Amino acid sequence: DIQMTQSPSSVSASVGDRVTITCRASQGISSWLAWYQQKPGKTPNLLIYTASNLQSGVPSRFSGSGSGTNFSLTISSLQPEDFATYYCQQANSFPLTFGGGTKVEIK
Amino acid sequence: EVQLVESGGDLVQSGGSLRLSCAASGFTVSSDHMSWVRQAPGKGLEWVSLIYSGGSGGTVHYADSVRGRFTISRDNSKNTLYLEMNSLKPEDTAVYYCARVTNWAFDYWGQGTLLTVSS
Repeated sequence: DIQMTQSPSSVSASVGDRVTITCRASQGISSWLAWYQQKPGKTPNLLIYTASNLQSGVPSRFSGSGSGTNFSLTISSLQPEDFATYYCQQANSFPLTFGGGTKVEIK
Repeated sequence: EVQLVESGGDLVQSGGSLRLSCAASGFTVSSDHMSWVRQAPGKGLEWVSLIYSGGSGGTVHYADSVRGRFTISRDNSKNTLYLEMNSLKPEDTAVYYCARVTNWAFDYWGQGTLLTVSS
């Protein structure tokens, strides 16, 4: 199975900050990586697919990059509604696997 | 508008069985890959199962933790996805989401249905 390791597990940031979350795969997954945002008590929301493609309706302050084993999600200017938990997910092979999540908290 | 509505979650005893349903609207479940993802209370997301679109022969995949106990299926006439769960364990306790798969990502999710397995 491919293990997905996210770092950091939590980050404290202020509105307007640039925030980067990283996701490392235990083996190469090409660009088969997605990013999700989940707010407390809510359903996960797709942000990025195939590593760098912005899902329709997602603000352009979100961006994704990487390929192979190392990936990142960047929020260019953190907004109040961005405080949430973020997950990466690989789709290179079964079983599909998620990272453990990164909680973005208010500083 | 794409919508997914899960139902069937309940409190069951360890060893019991249950079937979850996911009614789709705004698209046809046979035309897209569909999946189940679960989230235990206070924990992260865990992929459970996937069924390929009808054009791909209905091939299915399962997480190791549920293989042999869970069965994913769909009823095209009802535009509904199912998850049949047997031999339930306390560690199966979670909110179960159905999700549509596009570009190998989960682009639409239902609101989730809670399964609690008591020991």
